[in-house]
Amino acid sequence: ETGVTQSPTHLIKTRGQQVTLRCSSQSGHNTVSWYQQALGQGPQFIFQYYREEENGRGNFPPRFSGLQFPNYSSELNVNALELDDSALYLCASSRGPLGRDGYTFGSGTRLTVV
Amino acid sequence: ILNVEQSPQSLHVQEGDSTNFTCSFPSSNFYALHWYRWETAKSPEALFVMTLNGDEKKKGRISATLNTKEGYSYLYIKGSQPEDSATYLCAFSRGGSEKLVFGKGMKLTVNP
Repeated sequence: ETGVTQSPTHLIKTRGQQVTLRCSSQSGHNTVSWYQQALGQGPQFIFQYYREEENGRGNFPPRFSGLQFPNYSSELNVNALELDDSALYLCASSRGPLGRDGYTFGSGTRLTVV
Repeated sequence: ILNVEQSPQSLHVQEGDSTNFTCSFPSSNFYALHWYRWETAKSPEALFVMTLNGDEKKKGRISATLNTKEGYSYLYIKGSQPEDSATYLCAFSRGGSEKLVFGKGMKLTVNP
C-alpha cells in the first residue's frame, strides 16, 4: 500500500484560467472522492468517482469536472477559475463508494487564484 | 442542510492533561462517523470509523464513543503529549450517501 499522492502541492493561477489537479489512489481502491477546504472551513464534498463514473456530486458548478482512470489515477479539472476557488483540494480513495472501511486522504493541493 | 458541529474549536493544554472533544451530527438515517487526525502539511490520518450506536473504539491513548440516537460522538485523549498537537476532524455520512460531511475541526495544542 503506497497511500494517496497528489500533485502539484501548490499552484498559482490567474482568474479565468483552467487547472488540472492530479491524484494517485491507494492500490486496490476503486473509488476516489474530491473535497475543497476553504480557509476556516471543514472540507466540502465536490464529487466522487467509482469505477470511472461520477457517482455523486456536491453543490459545485459544472466547471468542476473530473476523471478517473483504470490505473488508480484521477484528475480534478476546474475551468474559468474564480478568486473563490482558492482553497486546499483533497482527494480521498476508498474501497467502495460508501467508505465503510474508511477513506485514505492525500495531503492536498493548495490552489491560489489571483 | 446537514451540519456537523465540533466543540471546542481550539484547545491549549499542558502535557499530561486529558482532553475530550465533541462532534454533533444529525441523528436521522445515520450510516457512519469518521474521526481524522490532521497534522499541518500532512494528510488527514484516519483514527476511527464508527457505525453502531454505543460503539467504543480505542487506539493507544485515544478513544471514541458514539451515540447515534442523540447524534454525538466524543473523542478522548488520555495524558496528552506534544505529538498529539493536530487538528481533529469528524465527518458524518448518511445511509446510501457517498459523501462525508465534515465539521470545521478542533485544533489541539499540547504544550510541553
